Amino acid sequence: DTGVSQDPRHKITKRGQNVTFRCDPISEHNRLYWYRQTLGQGPEFLTYFQNEAQLEKSRLLSDRFSAERPKGSFSTLEIQRTEQGDSAMYLCASSHRDRALYEQYFGPGTRLTVT
Amino acid sequence: AQTVTQSQPEMSVQEAETVTLSCTYDTSESDYYLFWYKQPPSRQMILVIRQEAYKQQNATENRFSVNFQKAAKSFSLKISDSQLGDAAMYFCAYRMDTGNQFYFGTGTSLTVIP
Repeated sequence: DTGVSQDPRHKITKRGQNVTFRCDPISEHNRLYWYRQTLGQGPEFLTYFQNEAQLEKSRLLSDRFSAERPKGSFSTLEIQRTEQGDSAMYLCASSHRDRALYEQYFGPGTRLTVT
Repeated sequence: AQTVTQSQPEMSVQEAETVTLSCTYDTSESDYYLFWYKQPPSRQMILVIRQEAYKQQNATENRFSVNFQKAAKSFSLKISDSQLGDAAMYFCAYRMDTGNQFYFGTGTSLTVIP
């Protein structure tokens, strides 16, 4: 069990550019979640995958955001035409199907700064 | 809508002492789960303790225990014998029994004074 990993850990981009983040969940976990965390706030839910299916999306997830989880393994979160308001920590979490109700394992996050 | 409120943005405790972090939540559900997560500086969030709403007994994990008051919708975390490694941001979180989303509070920053 190597834990949830995220890449990159830090990303600085200019407004208007596209960025893509990657999350590798714990290998036997079939559920994957993306959250956004801004300074002084708790994580806010963005989207949820069960295997490769994206089953739930928050209203926070504008059309500029897209997430995928091909083959039900790693996931990517892409932000198109970044805005300064997108600056935040993007967290990924995963859970096992038998313990999904009460256990989520978080990755270290990707900190995005939009200049 | 589910909301989680942590009214203490910052708390401090002397090493070896006990501290209690507060959390209240709002829900119309009867079945749900409550959690406390710890987020050390520049490190990933880890689960500290969880409570199933259908259980009357308060959860305990070593030095960490909760006071779950379902009627009052209150879920406080008590840390006994505080250690320097307990210094972190603590988040209270809620999840419906039938949902996939976790709802987090705004966090309490805990400082442990040597």
